[in-house]
Formats: sequence, C-alpha cells, structure tokens
Amino acid sequence: GESVGLHLPTLSVQEGDNSIINCAYSNSASDYFIWYKQESGKGPQFIIDIRSNMDKRQGQRVTVLLNKTVKHLSLQIAATQPGDSAVYFCADGGGSNYKLTFGKGTLLTVNP
Amino acid sequence: NAGVTQTPKFQVLKTGQSMTLQCAQDMNHNSMYWYRQDPGMGLRLIYYSASEGTTDKGEVPNGYNVSRLNKREFSLRLESAAPSQTSVYFCASRNSYNSPLHFGNGTRLTVT
Repeated sequence: GESVGLHLPTLSVQEGDNSIINCAYSNSASDYFIWYKQESGKGPQFIIDIRSNMDKRQGQRVTVLLNKTVKHLSLQIAATQPGDSAVYFCADGGGSNYKLTFGKGTLLTVNP
Repeated sequence: NAGVTQTPKFQVLKTGQSMTLQCAQDMNHNSMYWYRQDPGMGLRLIYYSASEGTTDKGEVPNGYNVSRLNKREFSLRLESAAPSQTSVYFCASRNSYNSPLHFGNGTRLTVT
C-alpha cells in the first residue's frame, strides 16, 4: 500500500542552528504535500504546503523542498528556536481523493 | 477565531459504554475528518465527509459511526467502547482537496 515515511524519528539541534526534517512518500500520483507541527497536548498545526508543480516553497523561517524524482520532501527550519521543539509530520495528499496519509513524525528537540 | 472545536477534551469510559464525540468548525469548510492518534502509529483516518450529506470510511472505521449533522458539525460515535479504542481523537476540516487540514485540539479517550 501507499505510505509516507520519515527518515529519522528524533532530531536534536542547538538553538540557532538550521534543522532539516526529511520525509519519503511512495505514491507517485501524489500532487500535494503538507507539513504539520504538533506540540504536546495539542492538535497538529499547519506549517506549510507544496504542490507537485513546485520544487521549493518558502515561509517564515521554513522552506519545503520537493524532489519528485526520488519521492522525497524536506522541511528546513532556519535559526531554530526552543519554541520549535515539537513533533513534525509530513502528509501526502494522495492524488485525486480526499484523504491525507500522515507520516509517523519526527521529534525535534532544540537545546538552548 | 475558534477554528475546529472538539468536546469533550477528556473522557473515561467503561468497556461497552457508548459516547459521541462532538466537532464543530466555523471556517465554512466543506470537508471534515476524524482521525485517531496512537503512539507509534501516527494519525489514522477513521471516517471523513467530503461534503455535507456524504460520509465515507477511512482506514480504521470498525467500531465507529459518524454523522455529518450540517456543514459545521461532524460527530463520531462509539456504540460499544473497547479498550482498543483508547486513543486521542482529532477532528479536522478543510475547504477542498489540495488545501490544508485544520485540526482541533483533540479528545483524550480512555476505555477501561
């Protein structure tokens, strides 16, 4: 079946460093991808999305890169702050249906 | 802006009891979703409603029923709770395909 996976379950960085969180997907028909942040005790919070007609999209301190050739996307967080500590999920829009498939998440810890 | 509101926040049930989880969104979104989140399993889709008047099964629908009461409200019912349904339940909504899901803050359910 289709799946969305994350390369690393945990990532620890120093405050001020850049963070990169990776995600692989397997559905070649997927044309929409989303990154979410989830803090303890809260629901997932939308960070940034990208459509398959783009390779890169930037937001405030975040950049998402999409490589359709190898079915990989990444989330880059610039100048990581303690408030960025959370679990980050990628989600795959899966093509032409209404369902999103979520990866299991990467726990980002930012050390002061 | 309330966004997606879920009630209750916490619930403890005994095996065999029934309950309904409530969800309402004030963003005029067409599609609504119910997910469960378990450690190590990520977010799994239970049911979704692509538009008012329609509902469809997701990945793990057994033991659940849903009702799309109107465009704002989408409820999830457990008819006979089982310990395997101990989980955190998230409701989400979005305007259309290829737009991000917006999540509530979840209902933490324990079935003893």
